[in-house]
Amino acid sequence: GPKVLQIPSHQIIDMGQMVTLNCDPVSNHLYFYWYKQILGQQMEFLVNFYNGKVMEKSKLFKDQFSVERPDGSYFTLKIQPTALEDSAVYFCASSLVGGDTQYFGPGTRLLVL
Amino acid sequence: QQKVQQSPESLIVPEGGMASLNCTFSDRNSQYFWWYRQHSGEGPKALMSIFSNGDKKEGRFTAHLNKASLHVSLHIKDSQPSDSALYFCATSGGNYKPTFGKGTSLVVHP
Repeated sequence: GPKVLQIPSHQIIDMGQMVTLNCDPVSNHLYFYWYKQILGQQMEFLVNFYNGKVMEKSKLFKDQFSVERPDGSYFTLKIQPTALEDSAVYFCASSLVGGDTQYFGPGTRLLVL
Repeated sequence: QQKVQQSPESLIVPEGGMASLNCTFSDRNSQYFWWYRQHSGEGPKALMSIFSNGDKKEGRFTAHLNKASLHVSLHIKDSQPSDSALYFCATSGGNYKPTFGKGTSLVVHP
């Protein structure tokens, strides 16, 4: 089936530094999403993105977070500066249209020290 | 704010048995409903979507939606050990901002 790739698979970073998580969504998909999951718990929506713009974001999407997809390349989540509570697995997903089934990547495991 | 509750938290069924997973949601404006399965160390994989009241069957999986009672369920017939995983239900309205439940951990023992 359609595959979403995420790079890197793991990232360890010192608190206060910047990190960029990269997502290569399914090629013809138009909607993109980021989620945060702590220790196999509930998947929590961070943000969705369509037509170059953030459409919706949750309270977890702090001011230190930003997303972009310059020129159809990777869909990125940037955290600057990072905090200890940002340690989690971050999943990217994409869907063809809004409301359609989302395809998830394998996640990036972020550890902030 | 949408609340999604899943039950049971964990479920053990014998191989070949039926597994029934439940999900209740709080927002009557919810339009889209999905069931996802997540194996340890992987991303969630969509199993089924359901948007209209009633049953939807795909192979061994049947989803049931009752918007009036704010309830969606997933039934897995002839459960296999490979079905052992964490199962999430998720729902969203027209803002495409899904809310996930906390999951049901299913173990199918041979």
